[in-house]
Amino acid sequence: DIVMTQTPLSSPVTLGQPASISCRSSQSLVHSNGNTYLSWLQQRPGQPPRLLIYQISNRFSGVPDRFSGSGAGTDFTLKISRVEAEDVGVYYCMQATQFPLFGQGTELEIK
Amino acid sequence: QVQLQESGPGLVKPSQTLSLTCTVSGGSISSGGYYWSWIRQYSGKGLEWIGYIYYTGSTYYNPSLKSRITVSIDASKNQFSLELSSVTAADTAVYYCAGGLEWSQLLAYWGQGTLVTVSS
Repeated sequence: DIVMTQTPLSSPVTLGQPASISCRSSQSLVHSNGNTYLSWLQQRPGQPPRLLIYQISNRFSGVPDRFSGSGAGTDFTLKISRVEAEDVGVYYCMQATQFPLFGQGTELEIK
Repeated sequence: QVQLQESGPGLVKPSQTLSLTCTVSGGSISSGGYYWSWIRQYSGKGLEWIGYIYYTGSTYYNPSLKSRITVSIDASKNQFSLELSSVTAADTAVYYCAGGLEWSQLLAYWGQGTLVTVSS
């Protein structure tokens, strides 16, 4: 089975500064159809998760352009160019190349 | 905009069956291409995908839960449902329903979630 590992587990960030979260899978996430089904979700306190990024780097509808995704194969990154107060929460990577599986989550907090 | 809302008992006794329903609004549950999923979250952090039903009625379940899960669809009510049998305290979690058009956006739309506690 695929294992998804996120680092760091906690990320204190100063408002207006960039933030970066890494997600590594134990196997390549390239599907037999050539697509890579790696998504990023955000969960604000008291809210359900929200889809931010799909297929590595595509922003979902309504997601601000300060969020970006990159990577390939087994290594992926979510970047926030300038952190805002509303970005506080837990961020999850999720693969759907095999049955969907989430990373353990990274808590983004303001310093 | 598709909206989802979970409903069902908040307390289930051990060994019984957990039953939840998700009501979809803002679109037809039978619309071509949509995947309808159940996910659960333990202690406010860890997320586990339970399974999905495609608009055609085909299903795909998490292998670790497969023997205990049934997901079904009721197009006349624009709802889909989850049944999880033989529950234990380990099944206590917040249960979410979610939907997405295309596999790449599997979990695009989420319900608010409902807490289910397994206890006698």
